[in-house]
This record gives sequence, C-alpha cells and structure tokens, in this order.
Amino acid sequence: DSGVTQTPKHLITATGQRVTLRCSPRSGDLSVYWYQQSLDQGLQFLIQYYNGEERAKGNILERFSAQQFPDLHSELNLSSLELGDSALYFCASSPPGPSSGNTIYFGEGSWLTVV
Amino acid sequence: DAKTTQPPSMDCAEGRAANLPCNHSTISGNEYVYWYRQIHSQGPQYIIHGLKNNETNEMASLIITEDRKSSTLILPHATLRDTAVYYCIVRAGGGSNYKLTFGKGTLLTVNP
Repeated sequence: DSGVTQTPKHLITATGQRVTLRCSPRSGDLSVYWYQQSLDQGLQFLIQYYNGEERAKGNILERFSAQQFPDLHSELNLSSLELGDSALYFCASSPPGPSSGNTIYFGEGSWLTVV
Repeated sequence: DAKTTQPPSMDCAEGRAANLPCNHSTISGNEYVYWYRQIHSQGPQYIIHGLKNNETNEMASLIITEDRKSSTLILPHATLRDTAVYYCIVRAGGGSNYKLTFGKGTLLTVNP
C-alpha cells in the first residue's frame, strides 16, 4: 500500500459525459501528479500540482482539468468524454523539499471506461 | 530528462538473479536513476533509485557504472510475483518539478 488513495476504482460512463476522479496523497506530501495509461500509449504524464499550484503540464487535453485543494487532495475532471479517453488514470504524490532524490509514490488507479 | 534504453523483454528462472540493464548515455550530473515496476494494471511501484553510488534495499540492488551512462537493476532471487514491466527512468532534480517520464520498460517474465 503506497498511501495514495484514488476513488473511484472503476467507472463506466457514456460518451459526452463528465467525470471527476479523486486522489488523496500520502500524509505530508505536497506534490500530486496525474498520469494516464491507455493500452496503446503507455504511461503519459498529464499534470502536476504542488501545494495547490500547477507546476508542470504534460499531454493533458483541454477537455481535462485538475486542481489541488487546500487539504492537498486533488481532482481530475474529464469532460465531453470520448471512447478514446478509456484508460487507467493514476495519481501519485511526493514529499516536499528541495532534494532531487524525492520518491514519487503511485496509487492503484481509476479505471475509466467510456461506452 | 535524459532518455533511457531498455530491452523490451527478458526471461528469468525462479530463484535466480534477474539482471535488468538500462542505458542512459546522455544523463547529466544532477539526474538520478530511478527504477519502478508495474505488475499488470496495478499502480507503478517504486523499487530503488541512485545518483552515483550503488544502492541496495530490501527489494533490489542498483549498480551504476562509474561514468553513469548505464545501470543494472538486480533482483537477487526472482519469484513468480516479480513478473512485471520494469521501468528505468532518469529524472532531473531541483525545485518542485519532480515528474517521471516513463518509456516502454522491460517486461520481465519469471518462469517456474
């Protein structure tokens, strides 16, 4: 158990709908990361937040958005869903500090199926 | 972040050591070498990381060459549960931008 909690574990929704994935980081971790893993794309970095602020952006679609709240939990919002958005979405967290050796820990993921 | 090269797949007999190689010839001085693994559709699991020196923990050993252009992850006594995709990642440090960039990794199959 990495200490990173993601909900829901599984989600089935229709095209055009909107869903919210939730992540609770490990206690004390200030950074939260979101990754997408689809069958043909591997693990793709989407976005990172640090203590409520966006710090890095990857291949995140404009239909997707994220935020990190004052209690440090994070939500990934996916809207106007398409069949191709079906994937595993992972959240990860890492502790604060300037050290470049800080480890990132991953949750077990949220399976999204768009039908 | 520097790019890494790993073999797409490897086999290992149960109980034997698994040695997974990784080339990172363009690694720069402040980049760490990280190893993660992903057992089918589970969240990536941290294994070990290092900068210059060899490292060992309860899961594995990491051997980094002196020029830091390659490394080897060693699982000393592989079990069937070690069958997974293993990712070697180099990551720049500093500040709060710590994202990991995953490649395709090595699929390690441990055979009975």
